[in-house]
Amino acid sequence: EAGVTQFPSHSVIEKGQTVTLRCDPISGHDNLYWYRRVMGKEIKFLLHFVKESKQDESGMPNNRFLAERTGGTYSTLKVQPAELEDSGVYFCASSQSRGARNTIYFGEGSWLTVV
Amino acid sequence: AQSVTQLGSHVSVSEGALVLLRCNYSSSVPPYLFWYVQYPNQGLQLLLKYTSAATLVKGINGFEAEFKKSETSFHLTKPSAHMRDAAEYFCAVIGSGGYQKVTFGTGTKLQVIP
Repeated sequence: EAGVTQFPSHSVIEKGQTVTLRCDPISGHDNLYWYRRVMGKEIKFLLHFVKESKQDESGMPNNRFLAERTGGTYSTLKVQPAELEDSGVYFCASSQSRGARNTIYFGEGSWLTVV
Repeated sequence: AQSVTQLGSHVSVSEGALVLLRCNYSSSVPPYLFWYVQYPNQGLQLLLKYTSAATLVKGINGFEAEFKKSETSFHLTKPSAHMRDAAEYFCAVIGSGGYQKVTFGTGTKLQVIP
């Protein structure tokens, strides 16, 4: 069974440019999460989808960040325009259904560097 | 609301020595607790989880953790460190009610000295 896959694995962009990160959850997982770890800081929650609906986007830092999950399958996280402080690793995760007993599976992360 | 505090951002142990990584939690509802590991340039891998069953939880790679409600702790241990255990370890918590929103600790980097 394929795990959570993220693309690109690494990205280097200039300040002001746009980057789109993609996440493919495990097949059949309704819950999809985005997390971010800025260098040296803790892993922070960004938002949570249940199927195609945003359940909680309280962690989105500002309106430069836009997440979508069309059709309830894969998700994209767009940063436009990127700033230096956006550098870090963006993790996507998925889980099967509602209920904290279900394990959340994380992807390998998308490592973003803004220069 | 819930949170976790990991004591020690860096821990060094000798190969073969006991590994002890500390985690204390705070939660307004009964928590579910997790330890994740991140090896260099890799994603987050689940080591073990506590979901209100047995308080002593065994995970992968010889790690285990004990949930102690009286101490609000969920420390991670391994009897004998191996070089491959060098990684960053994250304690995490979810409130038992509602949907899953994982709150992570700041992480502890484990160095294993030959």
